Amino acid sequence: NAGVTQTPKFQVLKTGQSMTLQCAQDMNHEYMSWYRQDPGMGLRLIHYSVGAGITDQGEVPNGYNVSRSTTEDFPLRLLSAAPSQTSVYFCASSPIQFSLNTEAFFGQGTRLTVV
Amino acid sequence: GIQVEQSPPDLILQEGANSTLRCNFSDSVNNLQWFHQNPWGQLINLFYIPSGTKQNGRLSATTVATERYSLLYISSSQTTDSGVYFCAVGGYNNNDMRFGAGTRLTVKP
Repeated sequence: NAGVTQTPKFQVLKTGQSMTLQCAQDMNHEYMSWYRQDPGMGLRLIHYSVGAGITDQGEVPNGYNVSRSTTEDFPLRLLSAAPSQTSVYFCASSPIQFSLNTEAFFGQGTRLTVV
Repeated sequence: GIQVEQSPPDLILQEGANSTLRCNFSDSVNNLQWFHQNPWGQLINLFYIPSGTKQNGRLSATTVATERYSLLYISSSQTTDSGVYFCAVGGYNNNDMRFGAGTRLTVKP
């Protein structure tokens, strides 16, 4: 039981490049989400999904796309990387959405630098 | 949306000391969780505690949802307790977890 797995752990991109951050969970959780963490701040929600085929925007969605074709996977796509997207990205999963009183589990994070 | 404030922002302790970290939130919540972010950046689940009190070894937490705060107690601190402690809340009308800015704890040997 690996929990929530994110790849890659580190990535350097040039401005304008695109890439996909991978997230997979093996706990059969319906709810998955992506957060970004900037220095000195807590995590902020980018996008979330309440189940396969259903996604929605969070607090800071601009410049990111997501899709959820399976329960297990929830990739995050950067369409055209910008230096402002330099951050640490965390994927999380929980049986149902957090506000309905459940425990959330986080991946190890992806540290992204855009130059 | 719900505002989450954590205090103190920074805390430096000598090994063996006790500490209390506080999390205040601006509205009613249905859920609350405490995390420890270690020096390697990993987020470790400490407590899932929408209400009441829980204990796990040297750590314990109390949430008083009606008064909109939660406390994390660390007793007999160790250098491995160093890192940033976050609380995150879930509101009745939110789809996400709202995080505080964290408390950075440094435990010196």
